Amino acid sequence: EVQLLESGGGMVQPGGSLRLSCAASGFTFNIYAMGWVRQAPGKGLEWVSGLSGGGASTDYADSVKGRFTISRDNSKNTLYLQMNSLRVEDTAVYYCAKCKGGTCYSAFDYWGPGTLVTVSS
Amino acid sequence: EIVLTQSPGTLSLSPGERATLSCRASQSVSSNYLAWYQQKPGQAPRLLISGTSFRATGIPDRFSGSGSGTDFTLTISRLEPEDFAVYYCQQYGKSPLTFGGGTKVEIK
Repeated sequence: EVQLLESGGGMVQPGGSLRLSCAASGFTFNIYAMGWVRQAPGKGLEWVSGLSGGGASTDYADSVKGRFTISRDNSKNTLYLQMNSLRVEDTAVYYCAKCKGGTCYSAFDYWGPGTLVTVSS
Repeated sequence: EIVLTQSPGTLSLSPGERATLSCRASQSVSSNYLAWYQQKPGQAPRLLISGTSFRATGIPDRFSGSGSGTDFTLTISRLEPEDFAVYYCQQYGKSPLTFGGGTKVEIK
């Protein structure tokens, strides 16, 4: 059974940093691309970033480019999102999601339960 | 950026009725790389359909997807009580990946 579990969310002041983690199990982690999708309170879904299975190819939404870094440790079956220079508008539930293929130009077939990031002074 | 516009914003229907949800793209979606997700309150989204018309594992056949180019449709043939939720379309053919604003299917 595929399982994804995010951690690392919390409250941070504007300009601060957080690192999210996503522990994966139930599938061959290093074959599949992974991504992060966020959802602001009461709003729709917004794609944040994607990373290929081998980790060589990354992609970011313009809203986070230069501030967020996606990475993975295939030996630990874990995906990360380093978030720097956080803004109030980054407040959201952050979901880790498995891509159907080796690149993240594919649908997300499994999702974690999400972790809440609140950016507030 | 490909903008996806979903309509209607809210669909009020009774159990047993047919639901037709629309997703229109601002430009053609490459290789029909269009997916649909269902989200219930307090839960993560769940993949229903990918590649425009291919049901995900475990998705009942009352859910079907169709369309091409810029116009796509999710149809729920007969609404069950558990189908009342918010539905999102997503294109994954071109970066940035984008989602529609969602359609809420509510009980009439």
